Amino acid sequence: EIVLTQSPATLSLSPGERATLSCRASQSVSSYLAWYQQKPGQAPRLLIYDASNRAAGIPARFSGSGSGTDFTLTISSLEPEDFAVYYCQQRSNWPYTFGQGTKLEIK
Amino acid sequence: EVQLVESGGGLVQPGGSLRLSCSASGFTFTTYVMHWVRQAPGKGLEYVSVISSSGGNTYYADSVKGRFTISRDNSKNTLYLQMSSLRPEDTAVYYCLRPYDYWGQGTLVTVSS
Repeated sequence: EIVLTQSPATLSLSPGERATLSCRASQSVSSYLAWYQQKPGQAPRLLIYDASNRAAGIPARFSGSGSGTDFTLTISSLEPEDFAVYYCQQRSNWPYTFGQGTKLEIK
Repeated sequence: EVQLVESGGGLVQPGGSLRLSCSASGFTFTTYVMHWVRQAPGKGLEYVSVISSSGGNTYYADSVKGRFTISRDNSKNTLYLQMSSLRPEDTAVYYCLRPYDYWGQGTLVTVSS
């Protein structure tokens, strides 16, 4: 099973700041990595698929990069609605797996 | 508009069974692989099962293999998850999704005596 390790566990920032979230895979997942945002009481929302492609309707301030084992989600300038939990997920090998999540909180 | 609506969750005793349903609309259901993902209260996301568009291929997480069965009825645009021998650790919100951008609202399964 491919283990995805996200860091940091919690990130405290202010609106307008830049956020950088990391996801490291225990073995290569090529570019088969997605990022999700989840707010309390809601289903996850797809932000990025295949490492760097924004999903439909996702603002341009969200970007993804990386391949192989190291991936990054960047939010260029935080808006109040961006404070949530973020998960990475791989679909390279079954079982598909998620990272443990990064909580982005308001400083 | 794509919609996925889960149903069938509830409270069940350990060792019991439950069948979840996911009714799909707004897209050609027969052409999509479908997934089940769960989330225990206050915890992260966990993949449960995947089924091919025809239903001929299925995949399960080790944690549910032999106890859960995924299936679909393409004539009814409905995805199912039959859960048996339920354990307290199966307590979670269960989501169906059309990979990877459409998720249902989830249905809560609570396994407790």
